Amino acid sequence: EAAVTQSPRNKVAVTGGKVTLSCNQTNNHNNMYWYRQDTGHGLRLIHYSYGAGSTEKGDIPDGYKASRPSQENFSLILELATPSQTSVYFCASGDGGQNTLYFGAGTRLSVL
Amino acid sequence: AQSVTQPDARVTVSEGASLQLRCKYSYSGTPYLFWYVQYPRQGLQLLLKYYSGDPVVQGVNGFEAEFIKSNSSFHLRKASVHWSDSAVYFCAVSALDSNYQLIWGSGTKLIIKP
Repeated sequence: EAAVTQSPRNKVAVTGGKVTLSCNQTNNHNNMYWYRQDTGHGLRLIHYSYGAGSTEKGDIPDGYKASRPSQENFSLILELATPSQTSVYFCASGDGGQNTLYFGAGTRLSVL
Repeated sequence: AQSVTQPDARVTVSEGASLQLRCKYSYSGTPYLFWYVQYPRQGLQLLLKYYSGDPVVQGVNGFEAEFIKSNSSFHLRKASVHWSDSAVYFCAVSALDSNYQLIWGSGTKLIIKP
């Protein structure tokens, strides 16, 4: 069964530290996405990718970097984590065009 | 610019009763329309989608939605809810104008009363 796997599932980080969230998909989809979910905001797009080597800015990219080293893997990097980045982060892969998305289970990040 | 409005942040329904969750979008053409469901501590899963054709689309677990172009709406319905339907439901749209990026509603939390 095709799947999107995120790691870690939970992370506690210190302010100013570096955090890397990882995502792996076995769907063989070209498109991958990073969202954050906060109460009252629904899903907000941080970065996305159309394939290996490509990253694009979403709606809220400030403070985040992304890396897509291969078709399967897409990472989200917080170089200097801040408490405002405390959130639940979701990775998704998409089949392009009409863009049905398949989501991972999420990473709960707390920045103290 | 496209937008999606889910006017009800929370909806409470008795088990066995019918359900309608509202979704309205803003877009001049006909977008692709989606409903996703998020169970507690999980990622989102596709419930159903509309691209073209019959405006009433069937999804999983007895859910259906109707596209009404004149009203720019895509409401989700279920004839008889079960306690396991408790979740957050998201409406989303995509269109060529936004390079098919999904635009999300803010979600509706469905609470089922026993």
